[in-house]
Amino acid sequence: GENVEQHPSTLSVQEGDSAVIKCTYSDSASNYFPWYKQELGKRPQLIIDIRSNVGEKKDQRIAVTLNKTAKHFSLHITETQPEDSAVYFCAASIGGSNYKLTFGKGTLLTVNP
Amino acid sequence: NAGVTQTPKFQVLKTGQSMTLQCAQDMNHNSMYWYRQDPGMGLRLIYYSASEGTTDKGEVPNGYNVSRLNKREFSLRLESAAPSQTSVYFCASSPRTGSSYEQYFGPGTRLTVT
Repeated sequence: GENVEQHPSTLSVQEGDSAVIKCTYSDSASNYFPWYKQELGKRPQLIIDIRSNVGEKKDQRIAVTLNKTAKHFSLHITETQPEDSAVYFCAASIGGSNYKLTFGKGTLLTVNP
Repeated sequence: NAGVTQTPKFQVLKTGQSMTLQCAQDMNHNSMYWYRQDPGMGLRLIYYSASEGTTDKGEVPNGYNVSRLNKREFSLRLESAAPSQTSVYFCASSPRTGSSYEQYFGPGTRLTVT
């Protein structure tokens, strides 16, 4: 089955710095790659996603890049703010289904003011 | 719209007891999911329902059963709870249309099995 590896498991940055979280996946049929943010005690919420026919997508301070050949994708957060502190999960669709996902184990991002 | 709702919010069971976690969505979504979240393990798919009338196993289905009661409701049943099932359970739904695959999560149920 699909395997998604996420690194790092924890990341601490100063406010205003950039943060990068990386994920690799194993299933070459995967075609949908979302990122979810989960604040402490809350539910996961989608922050950005990308499909396999696109190499990069940006939404204000957040961007995602996808390298299908290398089977990895990354989340980039610029100008980090304390409210960006949360756990971030990457995910990849299973077997090209686009509605079944395998999640990475998460990255705890701490933005220090 | 309430979105995705789950009941109960918290539950404590003794080993061997049974219970059903309820989930409902009011967004007319086709697909629904049950995940469990354990520290350091991310979200793991237990069961899913791609559309009304269908259910299928996910990554960790052992010890669970599901029912897609109608398009709105998707329940998860633990027949004989075990301490290894102590976890936070999230239900999610997705429109699963050509333009949107986003999964919307419920608030979660925190289950402790003693």
